[in-house]
Amino acid sequence: KAGVTQTPRYLIKTRGQQVTLSCSPISGHRSVSWYQQTPGQGLQFLFEYFSETQRNKGNFPGRFSGRQFSNSRSEMNVSTLELGDSALYLCASSLGQGTQYFGPGTRLTVL
Amino acid sequence: AQKITQTQPGMFVQEKEAVTLDCTYDTSDPSYGLFWYKQPSSGEMIFLIYQGSYDQQNATEGRYSLNFQKARKSANLVISASQLGDSAMYFCAMREGLKTSYDKVIFGPGTSLSVIP
Repeated sequence: KAGVTQTPRYLIKTRGQQVTLSCSPISGHRSVSWYQQTPGQGLQFLFEYFSETQRNKGNFPGRFSGRQFSNSRSEMNVSTLELGDSALYLCASSLGQGTQYFGPGTRLTVL
Repeated sequence: AQKITQTQPGMFVQEKEAVTLDCTYDTSDPSYGLFWYKQPSSGEMIFLIYQGSYDQQNATEGRYSLNFQKARKSANLVISASQLGDSAMYFCAMREGLKTSYDKVIFGPGTSLSVIP
C-alpha cells in the first residue's frame, strides 16, 4: 500500500506570496491532519479534515486554510507569507481515530 | 499547560545497549491513545508504537516497547539493542477525545537520541 505523499517536497517563496501544499493520504484513510514544525515551536497542529469537513483546528491565524476533496486528498494554503512561516509542513492520514501516518513533509522557505 | 513532557532534550547510548526515553502526559479524558514517533534527519515521521489507555498490557513492536504506567501518567519508550540507525529525534504524542468527534494529536518537544558505535 502506498504511503502518504506530499508535494512539493521543497518550496521557496518570498514574503507576501501565497502557497498551496498538497497531501495524498493512504488509500482508505479519510482523515488528514496538517502540522507545522519549526525548531523554536516544535510540532504544532494546524487542522484536521475528515470526509471533506474540517473537524479540528489549531491556534493559527486565518492566513492558514485548508480543504479536503472527495477522494480524501487535501490541500493547505498559506496566504500573505511571512518569514516566520518557514517550516517543515507535515501531513498525516488516519482512518479517523487511529494511528496517524505521516508523509515526508514539505520544506517551505520564505525569503 | 504542556500536555506532553519529554524531560530529556538529548541522550546518548552505546550501540547494542538498551535505552529508555521518558514521556509524561496530562489528560482528564479516560479514553486516549499514546504514540511514539521517530524522526530521522530526513524529516519524515515514522510511527513506532501505540498504547491505548484501556490496554491491559504494555505494547511491544520488535525492539520497541512501551512502559505504560497509567497512574503515574507515564509512557516511556524502551529501545533494546540500539543500532546506529536509531539515531534520530523521538516524539511522544497523545490523542485524546477518542470517543468523541473532537480529537487531535498533541506532540511533546522530542528527545534527540545519538547512538555511539
